[in-house]
Amino acid sequence: GDSVTQMEGPVTLSEEAFLTINCTYTATGYPSLFWYVQYPGEGLQLLLKATKADDKGSNKGFEATYRKETTSFHLEKGSVQVSDSAVYFCALSGMDTGRRALTFGSGTRLQVQP
Amino acid sequence: EAGVAQSPRYKIIEKRQSVAFWCNPISGHATLYWYQQILGQGPKLLIQFQNNGVVDDSQLPKDRFSAERLKGVDSTLKIQPAKLEDSAVYLCASSLSGRSTGELFFGEGSRLTVL
Repeated sequence: GDSVTQMEGPVTLSEEAFLTINCTYTATGYPSLFWYVQYPGEGLQLLLKATKADDKGSNKGFEATYRKETTSFHLEKGSVQVSDSAVYFCALSGMDTGRRALTFGSGTRLQVQP
Repeated sequence: EAGVAQSPRYKIIEKRQSVAFWCNPISGHATLYWYQQILGQGPKLLIQFQNNGVVDDSQLPKDRFSAERLKGVDSTLKIQPAKLEDSAVYLCASSLSGRSTGELFFGEGSRLTVL
């Protein structure tokens, strides 16, 4: 079945550091790929998405590129802020058009220190 | 626009007791999902509804969990009897349609502790 593997956290960075959170997936065909973020005390919210190979999703300075050849969707940000401290989840939506539910990775906690 | 509403936010019960969680999705969203998120893990799908019909309940432990969405709007997830391993956050999400690659909107979750 479909699965998502993320790098384990927590990831601790200083403000303005470069961020990479690795995500790889296993799925048949061409799934859609997502990054969701969960800020402290809040619900999960969509950060960015990509629906086909070589697409780049971007939002709030975060980027991720859908790499079919390496089955990866790594999250990057050039300069993190304290306000980016949160848990980040990589997810995919499979090819079955009747079942677009998301399959999530285990999440990566990011802590940004001033 | 109001978001996905869930209640209660927190619930503590003894094992073998029962509990019910309620979800009100965003108005007009045809698809509703219940996820279970155990501490330190990603959310796992329990059940997906399209209007008032079940699309996928393959990971729902049907001997103790049940869910309904009778009028295609609100939904209730019930656990009876609860086990210690059911301690988790139960997330409800909705989307316009389960047949698109559109965004899922999540509620804040209901945190269950089973003692």
